[in-house]
Amino acid sequence: AQKVTQTQTSISVMEKTTVTMDCVYETQDSSYFLFWYKQTASGEIVFLIRQDSYKKENATVGHYSLNFQKPKSSIGLIITATQIEDSAVYFCAMRESSGSWQLIFGSGTQLTVMP
Amino acid sequence: EAAVTQSPRSKVAVTGGKVTLSCHQTNNHDYMYWYRQDTGHGLRLIHYSYVADSTEKGDIPDGYKASRPSQENFSLILELASLSQTAVYFCASSQDRGREEVFFGKGTRLTVV
Repeated sequence: AQKVTQTQTSISVMEKTTVTMDCVYETQDSSYFLFWYKQTASGEIVFLIRQDSYKKENATVGHYSLNFQKPKSSIGLIITATQIEDSAVYFCAMRESSGSWQLIFGSGTQLTVMP
Repeated sequence: EAAVTQSPRSKVAVTGGKVTLSCHQTNNHDYMYWYRQDTGHGLRLIHYSYVADSTEKGDIPDGYKASRPSQENFSLILELASLSQTAVYFCASSQDRGREEVFFGKGTRLTVV
């Protein structure tokens, strides 16, 4: 069965620093997709970045990048040069390419960026 | 920009009453979803649909029904609302069932009293 685990409940960092949020997943499928979403204080959920399991290169979008360690079933989100507006809850999610194609979410990590 | 619109944005319902949450998307997406979020938790899938007039059960379908009368519209129905169904509900849509991102509405805060 699919499972996504985020063990960090909350993280606080100073502005302009780099933060890494952890995520591990479980799947029996050989092909899958990993996503990170951000939920703002208003509750809005926004897609940030995706990693395809068959790609070795880590995805990068703006100041977001991923640390994909397939043997460890791990997909960390790295935010560089953090800004106050990066304060939000970050969700890791996974979708298998066969069988159940549900988007399964982790429980989220609350990031607070301090001035 | 893909758009998923939910209505109402918040609602207070009475225990035992019927509640209908509506969702409309202008993305021309085939796949639509209803998720539930409880305070401090991730999202859990209630129902989903990949074609009009057909719906499928997700992980937590008990107590909920869904209706997809057209590609654009997807409703979530609570026939007999209960206190345990107090939560925030998100509708979402996607182009495919794989690598494409899922677009979320802004959520409906439902309080059952």
